[in-house]
Amino acid sequence: DSGVTQTPKHLITATGQRVTLRCSPRSGDLSVYWYQQSLDQGLQFLIQYYNGEERAKGNILERFSAQQFPDLHSELNLSSLELGDSALYFCASSVGQEQYFGPGTRLTVT
Amino acid sequence: GENVEQHPSTLSVQEGDSAVIKCTYSDSASNYFPWYKQELGKRPQLIIDIRSNVGEKKDQRIAVTLNKTAKHFSLHITETQPEDSAVYFCAASPRTGNTPLVFGKGTRLSVIA
Repeated sequence: DSGVTQTPKHLITATGQRVTLRCSPRSGDLSVYWYQQSLDQGLQFLIQYYNGEERAKGNILERFSAQQFPDLHSELNLSSLELGDSALYFCASSVGQEQYFGPGTRLTVT
Repeated sequence: GENVEQHPSTLSVQEGDSAVIKCTYSDSASNYFPWYKQELGKRPQLIIDIRSNVGEKKDQRIAVTLNKTAKHFSLHITETQPEDSAVYFCAASPRTGNTPLVFGKGTRLSVIA
């Protein structure tokens, strides 16, 4: 157990819908990263927050957004969902360079 | 930006043999190189890492080597066991502190009993 939690574990929704994924970092970690992993694909960096502020942006679609709250948990919002958005979404947290991943949320868009 | 290439994409070894996975990176400013193991449907798990001021690091049956001049680093697993079967990802961090990792595309390792 890495200490990073994510909810829900699984999410099945229809095209065009909007979902919210939640991540709680390890105690004391200020950074939260979101990654997308499609079937048999690597880990694509989406976005990073550090102590409530956006720190870095990767290959994140305009339909996706995220935020980090004062208690340091983070939410990733995915809207106007398409079939191609089906993937595992991981968050990770860090206090330095070592990143620890949560268990992921498996999103299936039908 | 940083680009990480990983080879091979798949690797099969007999139980007890060694496995080597290689990665190259493009940004000479990168200074942190972790390796993650991901079992099917599970989270990537940090198994070993190396920083640019070190050439080699070992932890029991796994070791990582770094060649800064050539900008490549490798994961070595000795005496492989069936439970080593997984996808392994290398990554590089372009700067110090809290920065995103750039991952290789992964190597699927199969250890045949």
